[in-house]
Amino acid sequence: GDSVTQMEGPVTLSEEAFLTINCTYTATGYPSLFWYVQYPGEGLQLLLKATKADDKGSNKGFEATYRKETTSFHLEKGSVQVSDSAVYFCALSRNTGTASKLTFGTGTRLQVTL
Amino acid sequence: GAVVSQHPSWVICKSGTSVKIECRSLDFQATTMFWYRQFPKQSLMLMATSNEGSKATYEQGVEKDKFLINHASLTLSTLTVTSAHPEDSSFYICSALGQAASPLHFGNGTRLTVT
Repeated sequence: GDSVTQMEGPVTLSEEAFLTINCTYTATGYPSLFWYVQYPGEGLQLLLKATKADDKGSNKGFEATYRKETTSFHLEKGSVQVSDSAVYFCALSRNTGTASKLTFGTGTRLQVTL
Repeated sequence: GAVVSQHPSWVICKSGTSVKIECRSLDFQATTMFWYRQFPKQSLMLMATSNEGSKATYEQGVEKDKFLINHASLTLSTLTVTSAHPEDSSFYICSALGQAASPLHFGNGTRLTVT
């Protein structure tokens, strides 16, 4: 079945450091890929998505590129801020464009310090 | 923006009792709602898909008689954990989908502890 594997956390970085959170997936066909973020005390929010190979999703300085050849969707940000501290979830869905039935990774906690 | 309210945010109950968790879409009509369960350091696992006015569709391995889901209106779905046991202690999260191409909106989750 479908699965998503993401790097274990927590990831601790100093402010302005470069961030990479790895995510790989296993799925048949052509899934859509997502990154969700959960800030402390809040629900999950969609951060970015990509619906086909070589698409790049971007939002709030975060980027991720859909790499079908490596079945990856790594999340990157060039310069993190303390306000980026949260849990990040990689997910996939087989319903193109919608996020109706998601398969999630385990989440990676990011802690950014001054 | 669209908001999903989940209530309660945490609940402690005794073994054998039932607990009801509510999930409301506050400013949009949710034709479909999803219920997830998350164990510590594990993924969110989809438990069931709930469509307004029809029976929920449960994922394999989820006991429908234990986790009762009702989606009586376009803005409310409830999950009732019946005869709760300590192994049901977990973090339960709902999400709601409006129109077909709209993003999925999540509630803040409910931490259930069964003693």
